[in-house]
Amino acid sequence: QVQLQESGPGLVKPSETLSLTCTVSGGSMNNYYWSWIRQPPGKGLEWIGYIYYSGTTNYNPSLKSRVLISVDRSKNHFSLVMTSVTAADTAIYFCARVPGMWDWFDPWGQGILVTVSS
Amino acid sequence: QSVLTQPPSASGTPGQSVTISCSGSSSNIGLNGVNWYQQLPRTAPKLLIYSNNQRPSGVPDRFSGSKSGTSASLAISGLQSDDEADYYCVTWDDSLSAYVFGTGTKVTVL
Repeated sequence: QVQLQESGPGLVKPSETLSLTCTVSGGSMNNYYWSWIRQPPGKGLEWIGYIYYSGTTNYNPSLKSRVLISVDRSKNHFSLVMTSVTAADTAIYFCARVPGMWDWFDPWGQGILVTVSS
Repeated sequence: QSVLTQPPSASGTPGQSVTISCSGSSSNIGLNGVNWYQQLPRTAPKLLIYSNNQRPSGVPDRFSGSKSGTSASLAISGLQSDDEADYYCVTWDDSLSAYVFGTGTKVTVL
């Protein structure tokens, strides 16, 4: 069964760029959407955006100006880049698979805590 | 700010039933399917219900979902201590062109 694993730095300085990768194992990336979701410590969930396996993207309007999601099917992974981070971007970042446009998130990666601090 | 409203908490004794509501609008729940997630402490959310009332394989039939108009509900019957968790609803919002999550409900088993 497909599994997802997030990786990247756990600490990013304010105003710098956050970069994370989600590696997909046990299945193909083809014909699926791949999403990023985040959760500030002790708070609720927020959708960041998704990318179709072919490269088409859709972002949360509230983050669109600072976010870029890309896919590398040859490496079976997709990535998140978020620029100009602040303390408000401190969160657990999850990646997840989406079967079709507007569908559910399943499965999820275990999540990675990213702290924005100097 | 969450677009979908859930009660902050719900509780029951073992064996009882609990229902969690998720209130939205005509641009989200009124148009699209609702999905429900269970999040145990320090773990990733787990899919409980998709497309309003469908259970993935492996999810006990104690969990059920429904939708009416611009609101959805998750019902848990035969409450167990393992059900203590946070529960979130989520759907697509056509006006925002984004997925929107509920505010989350903490279920406590007394």
